[in-house]
Amino acid sequence: DQQVKQNSPSLSVQEGRISILNCDYTNSMFDYFLWYKKYPAEGPTFLISISSIKDKNEDGRFTVFLNKSAKHLSLHIVPSQPGDSAVYFCAASGRAGFQKLVFGTGTRLLVSP
Amino acid sequence: GAGVSQSPSNKVTEKGKDVELRCDPISGHTALYWYRQRLGQGLEFLIYFQGNSAPDKSGLPSDRFSAERTGESVSTLTIQRTQQEDSAVYLCASSPLGFSSAFFGQGTRLTVV
Repeated sequence: DQQVKQNSPSLSVQEGRISILNCDYTNSMFDYFLWYKKYPAEGPTFLISISSIKDKNEDGRFTVFLNKSAKHLSLHIVPSQPGDSAVYFCAASGRAGFQKLVFGTGTRLLVSP
Repeated sequence: GAGVSQSPSNKVTEKGKDVELRCDPISGHTALYWYRQRLGQGLEFLIYFQGNSAPDKSGLPSDRFSAERTGESVSTLTIQRTQQEDSAVYLCASSPLGFSSAFFGQGTRLTVV
């Protein structure tokens, strides 16, 4: 039972354009959502998060949007840079800091110069 | 060190042998997670420790897998009678109480031959 789904295994974008990575979830008890970035041979690193009381959170080039009614969130990267090329994982938690993180299967982003 | 430390970084073992993987979390972090990532797949939750509470073992795939944590310090993940399907990168993460953004180690790449 995949509670967090990233349906696009890969995405290719040109440098300077917007990258949009999508994530869907099924468990309505999730109320905290995170995006992680992973380079090869490294552990995932935290990128940005959003609480269910918000619908948008922005941090520099990265913005996460949450649509609770659709159980959908997305990560926007603009402008995209070649250094953003990595695997991006969406994760969800039932209650901030007190429950395990459930991860999606990841989307591999390739930003070409 | 400042981050989550895992050892060994690589482990090759023969099918049927037992292996022990170690995780040193960030000092003071009460929560500790184990995940694994098999080739081409997402992050699969294994087990979650939170302070002195009973661990959430719901992700352990079989009774060959076990994990221990003493207090808020080191954790060991033990896989008995390893099988080829156990080959994966095993990732450990830790986080402070009330903080959902877990910090990951670099992982242990386990290869069962």
